[in-house]
Amino acid sequence: QKEVEQDPGPLSVPEGAIVSLNCTYSNSAFQYFMWYRQYSRKGPELLMYTYSSGNKEDGRFTAQVDKSSKYISLFIRDSQPSDSATYLCAMRRGLSSASKIIFGSGTRLSIRP
Amino acid sequence: GAGVSQSPRYKVAKRGQDVALRCDPISGHVSLFWYQQALGQGPEFLTYFQNEAQLDKSGLPSDRFFAERPEGSVSTLKIQRTQQEDSAVYLCASSPRREGLADPRTGELFFGEGSRLTVL
Repeated sequence: QKEVEQDPGPLSVPEGAIVSLNCTYSNSAFQYFMWYRQYSRKGPELLMYTYSSGNKEDGRFTAQVDKSSKYISLFIRDSQPSDSATYLCAMRRGLSSASKIIFGSGTRLSIRP
Repeated sequence: GAGVSQSPRYKVAKRGQDVALRCDPISGHVSLFWYQQALGQGPEFLTYFQNEAQLDKSGLPSDRFFAERPEGSVSTLKIQRTQQEDSAVYLCASSPRREGLADPRTGELFFGEGSRLTVL
């Protein structure tokens, strides 16, 4: 079993819809949770990060972490075609560079105009 | 440019050939990572450098994989006697070292666009 599980999709929604992306994990030592966005043939780029449980909002994006359920979510409001990409959840145990970032397999999202 | 630069962007190798992939990290970034991303999968950790020291190579899949960063800047990932299962995108990422600060962004990885390796 992988440490981080993520539904690969693909997920296709109409423009303007609310998108919900999710990951589950098994290692309770994870403290820092991130969402990376990866456009086709590009490297991943950091979109959101949260520490421990709770919510964080940044514009149209909201990240949620529920450590008790080992479940994290990313919500995208008023989705745009430019949001079409693969979304990777990621997590790590500590802040030092030696603490490896573990990625989910990514969910491919398509926003239909 | 100011980002992480990787070369070549695309490499086709015959099975058994040796390949070398290069990474130029962001100037001043102390930490450098190599990840392997198979088709439809997330990046998988290969190895990590802090300056010229390779502190973690636990993710290298076999002794055919070798990475170096001799002067603490540019890094090379070498794959000897390539096999078809080595076909993947190899991503390099760098990170500034600011330990002791609470901001998780100090751990952010800045990725290059990757080197796509196809082994025939």
